[in-house]
Amino acid sequence: SQELEQSPQSLIVQEGKNLTINCTSSKTLYGLYWYKQKYGEGLIFLMMLQKGGEEKSHEKITAKLDEKKQQSSLHITASQPSHAGIYLCLATQGGSEKLVFGKGMKLTVNP
Amino acid sequence: EPEVTQTPSHQVTQMGQEVILRCVPISNHLYFYWYRQILGQKVEFLVSFYNNEISEKSEIFDDQFSVERPDGSNFTLKIRSTKLEDSAMYFCASKGGTTTETQYFGPGTRLLVL
Repeated sequence: SQELEQSPQSLIVQEGKNLTINCTSSKTLYGLYWYKQKYGEGLIFLMMLQKGGEEKSHEKITAKLDEKKQQSSLHITASQPSHAGIYLCLATQGGSEKLVFGKGMKLTVNP
Repeated sequence: EPEVTQTPSHQVTQMGQEVILRCVPISNHLYFYWYRQILGQKVEFLVSFYNNEISEKSEIFDDQFSVERPDGSNFTLKIRSTKLEDSAMYFCASKGGTTTETQYFGPGTRLLVL
């Protein structure tokens, strides 16, 4: 079965700093999703990547999928306290409806 | 903006009791899901539901679990006889149509079995 490993497991940064989160899959990714989890608010969809080499940006967050479709990164530019939370990468497997989850990366942004 | 809602937010029950977790998916969505997250572990897929039947389920989803869409708006997860190890956060999700569409998640129900 497919496994997703996220690194680092947690990160504490000062406001204004840039940071990168990584997600590595044990198998070629069919679809890769980034979500953010805040307590009491469920999982908030950020971005979806499907094609090798694809890159998407939304506000100060950029997600990339490598050419081999086994690694993705999420980069936050000039982090703010509102970016704090748990960032999860999720993947679909071809022919299956279910999503496979990474364990998440807890981000703390100190003002 | 439409969102998935779940009730209750927290539930405490005694081992062996039945619980029903409720979800209201986004109104025009066709695919529905339940996931769970045991404290400190990854979120795990339980079941997917489409066209009034289970389309896929995991090994976790044994005979103690059932899902239902009783009235066209609610989507429920029933655990017939709860065990201590059923204590977890349960997430409901829904999506509109195709395989590649995004799943939208509810805020979760935290279930504690004593």
